[in-house]
Amino acid sequence: DTGVSQDPRHKITKRGQNVTFRCDPISEHNRLYWYRQTLGQGPEFLTYFQNEAQLEKSRLLSDRFSAERPKGSFSTLEIQRTEQGDSAMYLCASSEMSGGPDTQYFGPGTRLTVL
Amino acid sequence: AQSVTQLDSHVSVSEGTPVLLRCNYSSSYSPSLFWYVQHPNKGLQLLLKYTSAATLVKGINGFEAEFKKSETSFHLTKPSAHMSDAAEYFCVVRSNFGNEKLTFGTGTRLTIIP
Repeated sequence: DTGVSQDPRHKITKRGQNVTFRCDPISEHNRLYWYRQTLGQGPEFLTYFQNEAQLEKSRLLSDRFSAERPKGSFSTLEIQRTEQGDSAMYLCASSEMSGGPDTQYFGPGTRLTVL
Repeated sequence: AQSVTQLDSHVSVSEGTPVLLRCNYSSSYSPSLFWYVQHPNKGLQLLLKYTSAATLVKGINGFEAEFKKSETSFHLTKPSAHMSDAAEYFCVVRSNFGNEKLTFGTGTRLTIIP
């Protein structure tokens, strides 16, 4: 069990550029989640997948944001035409669907800075 | 709908003294409750979770929390603080009815005084 990994750990970009983040969940975890954490706040839910299906999206996920999990393993989160307000820590978590409430395990996050 | 209120944004205690981090929750359905810890430049780590079994939950590093339905509270405690406990702590709720997302509180920063 190598844990949830995210790449890159840090990203600095200029306003208007597109960025893409990758998340590799714990192997065989069929659920994958994206959260966003701004300074001084708790993480906020963005979206989640069960296998390759995207089952829920937050209203925080504007049209500029898109997430995919094409083969039910790793996931990507793309932000188009970045804005300064997109600067945040983007967290990925994964869990294994069981008969009861499952536990989400978090990766180290990708810190995005938009200049 | 679900929400979490962490009653203190910052708590300072002396090393070796008890820790109390307060959390109140709101949930339309029977909730699962969690405490996560976030050390500087580290990922979120699960401390403990309540999922409708025993109301007193023991976690890692000597932490425990008690689910009190009548008070809608899930306070985190530790008998004796250690310097390594200095971190940000998040209380988290999840409804157990068809909703997988976690709702986080705003966090409590715990400072340990030597």
